[in-house]
Amino acid sequence: AQTVTQSQPEMSVQEAETVTLSCTYDTSESDYYLFWYKQPPSRQMILVIRQEAYKQQNATENRFSVNFQKAAKSFSLKISDSQLGDAAMYFCAYRSDFGNEKLTFGTGTRLTIIP
Amino acid sequence: EPEVTQTPSHQVTQMGQEVILRCVPISNHLYFYWYRQILGQKVEFLVSFYNNEISEKSEIFDDQFSVERPDGSNFTLKIRSTKLEDSAMYFCASSAKLAGGRETQYFGPGTRLLVL
Repeated sequence: AQTVTQSQPEMSVQEAETVTLSCTYDTSESDYYLFWYKQPPSRQMILVIRQEAYKQQNATENRFSVNFQKAAKSFSLKISDSQLGDAAMYFCAYRSDFGNEKLTFGTGTRLTIIP
Repeated sequence: EPEVTQTPSHQVTQMGQEVILRCVPISNHLYFYWYRQILGQKVEFLVSFYNNEISEKSEIFDDQFSVERPDGSNFTLKIRSTKLEDSAMYFCASSAKLAGGRETQYFGPGTRLLVL
């Protein structure tokens, strides 16, 4: 079974600075998808970014980018120019490409933005 | 932008009562999911549903749980006899039919269930 590990329960960053959230995963599969979801205090799950394992290029969405290291099974999220609205829980998630449709989530990282 | 909706946003019930949580997935999506998140814990998969049948379920999804797509728009989760440990946030999610988009699941805002 796949597992997702987020080793940083909490992180904080000064507004306008850059922060990196870590995620590692364990799988024997070669094709899969990785996601970062954001959960603000409202508790809604919002997709931040996705990465296909077959793509070598790291995904980027505006101020959000990932560092995907397939061999190391690492998938970190970098937030540039942090804003107060970025404060939330961030969950890393894994999805197999072989019919197993469920998302497997990590335990989350609570990000605090310091004004 | 289309979004997944869920009702109610909050539900309080007595232990042993039945509850039905409702979801309206994104209109062109055909894969549907339920997840739950106990307060302070990670999000856990409950069940996936496609073509009017369950495609996968977790060990959490026991005989007390059932899902249904009663019409062309709603997707429901029923808990037959609620227990205290069913208190959690329940998220509905959906994804597109095509293989190129099926991997991304879009979540609703959740239903917060409290069992007393």
